[in-house]
Amino acid sequence: GAVVSQHPSRVICKSGTSVKIECRSLDFQATTMFWYRQFPKQSLMLMATSNEGSKATYEQGVEKDKFLINHASLTLSTLTVTSAHPEDSSFYICSARTVGNTEAFFGQGTRLTVV
Amino acid sequence: EDQVTQSPEALRLQEGESSSLNCSYTVSGLRGLFWYRQDPGKGPEFLFTLYSAGEEKEKERLKATLTKKESFLHITAPKPEDSATYLCAVQAGTSYGKLTFGQGTILTVHP
Repeated sequence: GAVVSQHPSRVICKSGTSVKIECRSLDFQATTMFWYRQFPKQSLMLMATSNEGSKATYEQGVEKDKFLINHASLTLSTLTVTSAHPEDSSFYICSARTVGNTEAFFGQGTRLTVV
Repeated sequence: EDQVTQSPEALRLQEGESSSLNCSYTVSGLRGLFWYRQDPGKGPEFLFTLYSAGEEKEKERLKATLTKKESFLHITAPKPEDSATYLCAVQAGTSYGKLTFGQGTILTVHP
């Protein structure tokens, strides 16, 4: 299957700082990338959808100014958590798909801890 | 609104004891139903996509089936390494790739 690489796998940051998470499709061109958030023992909740070269579409209740998403190329999308607070601590996962393909492949996730 | 409900929440099996996981869904225009496996601290690993009622897919000890209202993931003679959380997700016809996930079934297989 297709490979999606997410980096870093773990990050600890101080409250008030910003953190950037990268999501790369290694062996295919990702026309669409998705960012999910997962709290302990809960399922994945979609945060936003990004298409290469255009603005991301955020799900209801997700602050677009807090969670900045950039999808500048067909192989890279980034999620920046701005002015992070402890309540932003969570497991963030990206997925990617290519045009004409319904299957989405997931990265390995990033554990963010804000202290 | 698309909805996915998985049952049971947790399932404990003895090695070799076959069973099934259920995924009930409500979606406007199903474009695909997906099964994923997720290990602790990892991203979901793709298992199957089912597109229409009556379709079945198999991979090693796993077999996924689909009806118009639900999907089953059958596990035959499971091994301890099959222990994981199994996630079901649906893609609606107008969602442009967006997946709606169920809450998952935590499977534990004891040796």
